[in-house]
Amino acid sequence: GAGVSQTPSNKVTEKGKYVELRCDPISGHTALYWYRQSLGQGPEFLIYFQGTGAADDSGLPNDRFFAVRPEGSVSTLKIQRTERGDSAVYLCASSLNGQGRVTDTQYFGPGTRLTVL
Amino acid sequence: GQQVMQIPQYQHVQEGEDFTTYCNSSTTLSNIQWYKQRPGGHPVFLIQLVKSGEVKKQKRLTFQFGEAKKNSSLHITATQTTDVGTYFCAGPRRNTDKLIFGTGTRLQVFP
Repeated sequence: GAGVSQTPSNKVTEKGKYVELRCDPISGHTALYWYRQSLGQGPEFLIYFQGTGAADDSGLPNDRFFAVRPEGSVSTLKIQRTERGDSAVYLCASSLNGQGRVTDTQYFGPGTRLTVL
Repeated sequence: GQQVMQIPQYQHVQEGEDFTTYCNSSTTLSNIQWYKQRPGGHPVFLIQLVKSGEVKKQKRLTFQFGEAKKNSSLHITATQTTDVGTYFCAGPRRNTDKLIFGTGTRLQVFP
């Protein structure tokens, strides 16, 4: 595709509900990243996939957060028992290779704005 | 842990004035990247600097990477209203592609 796409663009849910956020990376990009951005803050790293495997999930705040990338392309970020503090914009990015190649550029999607009431 | 700070937090300028944002990392960086985020938008990659002391220009934007590879700056000459947005620097945690974003500088340009 032309760029990284994310769906839905907006998600409003009630406290305690389960949500899934989807990311479609740029075709051919093996590395995929999830970030969370709160108002007035910079993006905060959550998890990084290299292919199908989570290479680094150290940014996930707790075990309510989980992400998958079963076929090495589309990824889903899953949040269980949502809390009001989970409200933020969830950004996905992809890069060509990852694997610590420091010259890789990350391309961001438009984000999903999650609001937990 | 590794921290990346930016100053100033906000900058309001008159159109035509210059603007500079400074980025400082608590650790040495293998590279520094700059992103621009328009209000309501997502971060858009601007440039990456890799070499110590490197300077790169994009039209009215000048990016510099410090000699010690711990700081960087972005300078905009003769700002325009299209420059409005938040400018983030970001550096990878050592030996990873995990980007640590700076705190951002929000630029407002008055016509």
